Amino acid sequence: QVQLQESGPGLVKPSETLSLTCIVSGGSISSYYWTWIRQPPGKGLEWIGYIYYSGSTSYNPSLKSRVTISVDTSKNQFSLKLNSVTAADTAVYFCAGFCSGGSCPDHWGQGTLVTVSS
Amino acid sequence: QSVLTQPPSASGTPGQRVTISCSGSSSNIGRNGVNWYQQLPGTAPKLLIYSNNQRPSGVPDRISGSKSGTSASLAISGLQSEDEADYYCSVWDDSLNGRVFGGGTKLTVL
Repeated sequence: QVQLQESGPGLVKPSETLSLTCIVSGGSISSYYWTWIRQPPGKGLEWIGYIYYSGSTSYNPSLKSRVTISVDTSKNQFSLKLNSVTAADTAVYFCAGFCSGGSCPDHWGQGTLVTVSS
Repeated sequence: QSVLTQPPSASGTPGQRVTISCSGSSSNIGRNGVNWYQQLPGTAPKLLIYSNNQRPSGVPDRISGSKSGTSASLAISGLQSEDEADYYCSVWDDSLNGRVFGGGTKLTVL
């Protein structure tokens, strides 16, 4: 069973960079599109972007200028960096794995709350 | 405003059957498989349906999904109090080259 676990600072100052890592266990890093999704308090889900093990990426156009997703296949983990954060970036951040074409169940981490505040 | 349209709320009494709709377009639901999630407060979304109508292991068969054209539906029969939660639809959008979500439907069990 694939399991994902997010880690990173829970508090980030405005204008700084939010950095999170997701460790994947129980499955191959080459089998899924590794994805970041966020959910502001009391609001819905927003797709941030994905990376494939080959390194190919796709980002939400609304965040593309500030987002970088990377993968470390040797450590079975992938990471998110979001630059120049503001209070609007305060959210629970989830990492997830989706298979090609949605032909198999996806897997999600438990999520981690990141608050942007000075 | 979400790319996928869901009703903000739905309700039913124990034992009833309720459906939640999700409306999209030819670039998303019209071309790709729809997923449905249940989210309880303070927890991660739980996958209920993938690829329009497939249930992951452990999801009871009183939960089902369907798709027709550019719309999809989630049906829950034999409604139980523990079904009270937020429900989201999601699908890949070929035009946006990204995954999109509905705004969510809050299901209340009366």
